[in-house]
Amino acid sequence: DGGITQSPKYLFRKEGQNVTLSCEQNLNHDAMYWYRQDPGQGLRLIYYSQIVNDFQKGDIAEGYSVSREKKESFPLTVTSAQKNPTAFYLCASSMGSGNQPQHFGDGTRLSIL
Amino acid sequence: GQQVMQIPQYQHVQEGEDFTTYCNSSTTLSNIQWYKQRPGGHPVFLIQLVKSGEVKKQKRLTFQFGEAKKNSSLHITATQTTDVGTYFCAADTGTASKLTFGTGTRLQVTL
Repeated sequence: DGGITQSPKYLFRKEGQNVTLSCEQNLNHDAMYWYRQDPGQGLRLIYYSQIVNDFQKGDIAEGYSVSREKKESFPLTVTSAQKNPTAFYLCASSMGSGNQPQHFGDGTRLSIL
Repeated sequence: GQQVMQIPQYQHVQEGEDFTTYCNSSTTLSNIQWYKQRPGGHPVFLIQLVKSGEVKKQKRLTFQFGEAKKNSSLHITATQTTDVGTYFCAADTGTASKLTFGTGTRLQVTL
């Protein structure tokens, strides 16, 4: 089955530690996105990528970094500079740009130890 | 930046009652999409509206795009417990390769 796989499902971060969230898709989609969702809130865009080796900052990129070395993969690193990382992180992909429907992974819940 | 507001934030209805959520943008949109997120789940694409004044139906769900392409609504007729979740609109201004998600409306349905 085609889809988006996020791992791990749950992640705990210690103070001062960087952690990386994995996102892999086998839908052959060009565009990929990372969103942050806080309890009872909407989705806020962290980073997005339209093609391999290119990505753009979203609305809340500070404290995060990404890479897009392969079409299928778009990992997100939550750095120690992100002082409030506890949230639900969602990865999505779409065939093209903003006017295409987005398909979401099951998400990763990140908490501070 | 682009602002997309949804009202209400939360609505609690009894099964069989109707429900409507409204989405308003500060700018004219290229298209608007609607997503549903069940509790504990991830957003799932429902529909996309592109044309001014467009109306689309999916069983008990009716989606509308405003004439000025700045607002949209989702109406559910005779809600069921399976309709529980948060409904998000997502706006595409056509100027950036991304969507701006609305604040969402959480629907609770009780028997």
